[in-house]
Amino acid sequence: AAGVIQSPRHLIKEKRETATLKCYPIPRHDTVYWYQQGPGQDPQFLISFYEKMQSDKGSIPDRFSAQQFSDYHSELNMSSLELGDSALYFCASRQRGDEQFFGPGTRLTVL
Amino acid sequence: GENVEQHPSTLSVQEGDSAVIKCTYSDSASNYFPWYKQELGKRPQLIIDIRSNVGEKKDQRIAVTLNKTAKHFSLHITETQPEDSAVYFCAASLVGDDKIIFGKGTRLHILP
Repeated sequence: AAGVIQSPRHLIKEKRETATLKCYPIPRHDTVYWYQQGPGQDPQFLISFYEKMQSDKGSIPDRFSAQQFSDYHSELNMSSLELGDSALYFCASRQRGDEQFFGPGTRLTVL
Repeated sequence: GENVEQHPSTLSVQEGDSAVIKCTYSDSASNYFPWYKQELGKRPQLIIDIRSNVGEKKDQRIAVTLNKTAKHFSLHITETQPEDSAVYFCAASLVGDDKIIFGKGTRLHILP
């Protein structure tokens, strides 16, 4: 069965640089979620999209933005990167009423 | 907003014994309670979930109980095996709608 795809899987950036993370949800899933998981911490909800519209917003810094495109893939754009942005970033998708399926994550390291 | 508390943060049990992890939630509107197992550097994997219209659910060695009145839910793993060693997260959500709010996690060690 198809799973959530995230790219890249690993990303290394310098402070103050920008990064773009991509997420391809499971086909026919209409909702996408982004989570950030720092070292030794629980995943924290960042933002979600339902049918290409932002549906909810969590603890997402103003330096971050995201969108969902017409093909339902989503991108998380991160600017002015800080050391504290180093984390695992998970995308999850679901069909309304069903469980969320997590992607493999993107490990971002900011040097 | 929802807040999920999870205890203990670390748990060591002898192989073959049972492990219990307990969580509480704050938002009485939450109606979906998944449990995830996460190995280092990997994605959270759903191992069992329970909805608010059910008090208990079991899947082989894993069971979850829910007390809506007290806003408590618990994970029980019986006959623990070495491969059960991982971090376990409880979580709360609104079915069909909302983001998942995770507890802080429990690092489970299965001792030989």
